[in-house]
Amino acid sequence: GEEVAQTPKHLVRGEGQKAKLYCAPIKGHSYVFWYQQVLKNEFKFLISFQNENVFDETGMPKERFSAKCLPNSPCSLEIQATKLEDSAVYFCASSQSIVGARPQHFGDGTRLSIL
Amino acid sequence: AQSVTQLDSHVSVSEGTPVLLRCNYSSSYSPSLFWYVQHPNKGLQLLLKYTSAATLVKGINGFEAEFKKSETSFHLTKPSAHMSDAAEYFCVVSASFGGTSYGKLTFGQGTILTVHP
Repeated sequence: GEEVAQTPKHLVRGEGQKAKLYCAPIKGHSYVFWYQQVLKNEFKFLISFQNENVFDETGMPKERFSAKCLPNSPCSLEIQATKLEDSAVYFCASSQSIVGARPQHFGDGTRLSIL
Repeated sequence: AQSVTQLDSHVSVSEGTPVLLRCNYSSSYSPSLFWYVQHPNKGLQLLLKYTSAATLVKGINGFEAEFKKSETSFHLTKPSAHMSDAAEYFCVVSASFGGTSYGKLTFGQGTILTVHP
């Protein structure tokens, strides 16, 4: 598609439950990025993929967070045993390349609320 | 390492007056710089990008930004604000180390633009 599609738009989980978020990148884009936006305006990089391979995972919490990009499937971000502090908007972005000033195109985000 | 500082958390202007949103960056190498806009409950939309081809960059909706290496600045401007410009604006730098791009974006803290009629 021509837009990054994220589902669901909103996700509510009780503390300790699992949360799974999905992202379909723009067709033809090789790179997928996940960001976490907390406190309304603070963005934190989580992880990036080059096709189905992890490219940079320096922002991923060591425990509880995992992500995948499998062929012919939406990418996913999964949080095990959620905590209150995981409440945030999670954005997915995709780009054709990371060389030069190729921009990242963002989805509308998934708002995760942990109760 | 890269960092971005947006000098104003809030900017308020009247419709029809100029807009200036200030951004300073820190980067060990030639940076890739972007301005994105975020409307409520929406994702980020690219306004413009600095590609090193020209220091004055024109973007969508009448916005432009000037890259000033000596001042490490990339301020966003628009000659005449419109009500629809009210949103939050993010100055963003793309990570590179040793001249190699890793794609990871570093965001400024955001500037909320309010436009009064």
